[in-house]
Amino acid sequence: DQQVKQNSPSLSVQEGRISILNCDYTNSMFDYFLWYKKYPAEGPTFLISISSIKDKNEDGRFTVFLNKSAKHLSLHIVPSQPGDSAVYFCAAKETSGSRLTFGEGTQLTVNP
Amino acid sequence: GAVVSQHPSRVICKSGTSVKIECRSLDFQATTMFWYRQFPKQSLMLMATSNEGSKATYEQGVEKDKFLINHASLTLSTLTVTSAHPEDSSFYICSALAGAAYEQYFGPGTRLTVT
Repeated sequence: DQQVKQNSPSLSVQEGRISILNCDYTNSMFDYFLWYKKYPAEGPTFLISISSIKDKNEDGRFTVFLNKSAKHLSLHIVPSQPGDSAVYFCAAKETSGSRLTFGEGTQLTVNP
Repeated sequence: GAVVSQHPSRVICKSGTSVKIECRSLDFQATTMFWYRQFPKQSLMLMATSNEGSKATYEQGVEKDKFLINHASLTLSTLTVTSAHPEDSSFYICSALAGAAYEQYFGPGTRLTVT
């Protein structure tokens, strides 16, 4: 039972353009969402998060949007840079507890 | 801030031996640490949640006698893979919660290869 799904295994974008990474979830008890970036053979790096009481959170080039009714969130990166090339994981936390449920990841490639 | 280290970064061991992996929070105290494993091109699978001073909580399907977790201090948790077999070969990653925040900070991971 995959409660957090990232349906696009890969995404390719030109440098300077916008990258949009999508994530869907099924568990209504999720109340906090996070995005992580991961390079091969390294641990994930925290990027940005959003609480379920908000619909948008922005931090520099990164913006996360949350649509609770659709159980969908997205990460926008603008402008995209070649150094953004990595696997991006969406994660979600339930109201009670601290464990995270991760999506399968999306490989982003930003072409110069 | 919020730096987590893991040691070793790579380890190769023979089948039947045990391997210990250390996870340390370097600049903060972590009451809760987590252990994950990741197979190639797959997501991170939570193995167990480790709370300082108490027994770890294991996810369904994870053998607690095989994957021993000890969280002896607020900055150190260890995962021991006992009687390792080739199917235990994987990338093991730990993470830690910093205070009241929900963000988990991850270590760099440990590549375990069992021959």
